[in-house]
Amino acid sequence: DAGITQSPRHKVTETGTPVTLRCHQTENHRYMYWYRQDPGHGLRLIHYSYGVKDTDKGEVSDGYSVSRSKTEDFLLTLESATSSQTSVYFCAIRDRGAEKLLFGSGTQLSVL
Amino acid sequence: GESVGLHLPTLSVQEGDNSIINCAYSNSASDYFIWYKQESGKGPQFIIDIRSNMDKRQGQRVTVLLNKTVKHLSLQIAATQPGDSAVYFCADLNRGGGADGLTFGKGTHLIIQP
Repeated sequence: DAGITQSPRHKVTETGTPVTLRCHQTENHRYMYWYRQDPGHGLRLIHYSYGVKDTDKGEVSDGYSVSRSKTEDFLLTLESATSSQTSVYFCAIRDRGAEKLLFGSGTQLSVL
Repeated sequence: GESVGLHLPTLSVQEGDNSIINCAYSNSASDYFIWYKQESGKGPQFIIDIRSNMDKRQGQRVTVLLNKTVKHLSLQIAATQPGDSAVYFCADLNRGGGADGLTFGKGTHLIIQP
């Protein structure tokens, strides 16, 4: 998927535990995004980054934090996972000057 | 906020027929539109895009039509094949929305009947 690797692909965790999802790109694109996808809601933006150490909130950012210390890596952290955060998480990238997003393969997260 | 929506959640077509998937958008300031295909267990995959200064754009077996008057776009897939089975969703771009101006629809599930 367009030089984007998400890890892990699947994770099961318990309520209250911290979880970190990783997105790694080899495209050297400036913009990186984290979305969650849920039935009936489509893709909803959690956080995005417009450069190293430059991040901003999306529409569903509560309970999530992100970090981008290198161009190629964008981490999504759930400080204390809740069952409502059970979802499929997608990372996407976008090059400067381009409009379309390129998506990774997703991480299926289950919080029990 | 403004959103992109789809008319039908499921579309069933016969193999070999043409498929038409519709999408309505509400943001009149949107000037770029994109269609994605998502197969089960995979990430969304870019199909085709169109800018607001165009009414039609063709790709390989796919055509996107844009009607700005009624804020509607459609994706036409010619000679539908089993591999076309997927969820298709559109997105529109409002540049006033900052680094992320894309608004995604919820998707239409295209089912191919043999």
